[in-house]
Amino acid sequence: EIVLTQSPGTLSLSPGERATLSCRASQSVMSGFLAWYQQKPGQAPRLLIYGASSRATGIPDRFSGSGSGTDFTLTISRLEPEDFAVYYCQQYGTSSTFGQGTKVEIK
Amino acid sequence: EVQVVESGGGLIQPGGSLRLSCAVSGFTVSKNYMNWVRQAPGKGLEWVSLTYSDGVTYYADSVKGRFTVSRDNSNDAVYLQMNSLRGEDTAVYYCATGRRYFDFWGQGTLVTVSA
Repeated sequence: EIVLTQSPGTLSLSPGERATLSCRASQSVMSGFLAWYQQKPGQAPRLLIYGASSRATGIPDRFSGSGSGTDFTLTISRLEPEDFAVYYCQQYGTSSTFGQGTKVEIK
Repeated sequence: EVQVVESGGGLIQPGGSLRLSCAVSGFTVSKNYMNWVRQAPGKGLEWVSLTYSDGVTYYADSVKGRFTVSRDNSNDAVYLQMNSLRGEDTAVYYCATGRRYFDFWGQGTLVTVSA
């Protein structure tokens, strides 16, 4: 099983700041099969990024994904108030596993 | 617009059985891929099962042999039959569409396994 480790566990930032979230895999993720999701309290996750860098339909361009192999990054260029949430990465190259999540909170 | 609605959750004793339902609109279940994903209280996400358009289903090791997925193509519905439930199965269960990543999700239904 591919284990995904997200860091940091919590990111404290102010609106307008840049957020950089990391997702590291225990082994190479096949063909960049990595997705990112946003989850707010009491809500289902929402797909943000798939294929490591492709934005899902309707996702603002302040969200971007990058990386390959074992190291992936989700960047939010300028945080909006609605972006404060928990973010999960998911690899779907070998079965499917999720990271433990990074909480982006208001500083 | 694709909509996904889960139902059937509740409180069940260890060792018991429960069937969850997932109703989909704006989407043909028989021609697409359907998943169950769960989230224990305060925890992260765990993939549970993937059903292909041909009906073949793959399961996470943690539920294999205890959980079974079935489909009602005429009503665009998917079901998760959960048997021999354990405390660690306590979670919100989400139904989600997608072959590899999950693009449409329901709001989830809570299953609590407790005596």
